Amino acid sequence: EAGVAQSPRYKIIEKRQSVAFWCNPISGHATLYWYQQILGQGPKLLIQFQNNGVVDDSQLPKDRFSAERLKGVDSTLKIQPAKLEDSAVYLCASSLDWGANYGYTFGSGTRLTVV
Amino acid sequence: AQSVTQPDIHITVSEGASLELRCNYSYGATPYLFWYVQSPGQGLQLLLKYFSGDTLVQGIKGFEAEFKRSQSSFNLRKPSVHWSDAAEYFCAVGVRQAGTALIFGKGTTLSVSS
Repeated sequence: EAGVAQSPRYKIIEKRQSVAFWCNPISGHATLYWYQQILGQGPKLLIQFQNNGVVDDSQLPKDRFSAERLKGVDSTLKIQPAKLEDSAVYLCASSLDWGANYGYTFGSGTRLTVV
Repeated sequence: AQSVTQPDIHITVSEGASLELRCNYSYGATPYLFWYVQSPGQGLQLLLKYFSGDTLVQGIKGFEAEFKRSQSSFNLRKPSVHWSDAAEYFCAVGVRQAGTALIFGKGTTLSVSS
């Protein structure tokens, strides 16, 4: 089966600019996750979708980050305006359903550098 | 709230030597436990997982992990390390509640010397 697709792979922007990341999960996977991985740290959950509804966005900086999952398939994560501390790898993952007992499949991530 | 601690930031092991990466978790009950590996520029790949039953679990690439309830630990082991095992390893915890996502440790970077 095809994996989780993410684009772009790399992005360099200046602070205060906006950026968007795209994720296409595995077909049939109901749950989609966006994680932020800062250099030297483990992935931190930003937002979790179940189909096209938000399950958990408690750690999403909502003043600058937004995410949507239209039609319960693809998802986009947007940052506007970006700050230097947003430099990180943004990982998208999907699972068959919403439970830790379902395996997560991760994409290769988008590496964002804010200068 | 649950948490995961990986005490070792960086470990260097000689090729052919054994490996043990430590993971401790904090949670009121037995969680789901996972080990993932991340090679440079890649996403996370699942090595193994523990849900219940036999406390010694086997994974891919010759890795195994042992769940010890009394120590709240889930250490990853490999009897003989290969140079291709050099990567970053993450321990993760999942609670037995629908809708709760995995929580990851900060990771341990493994270097393999020849």
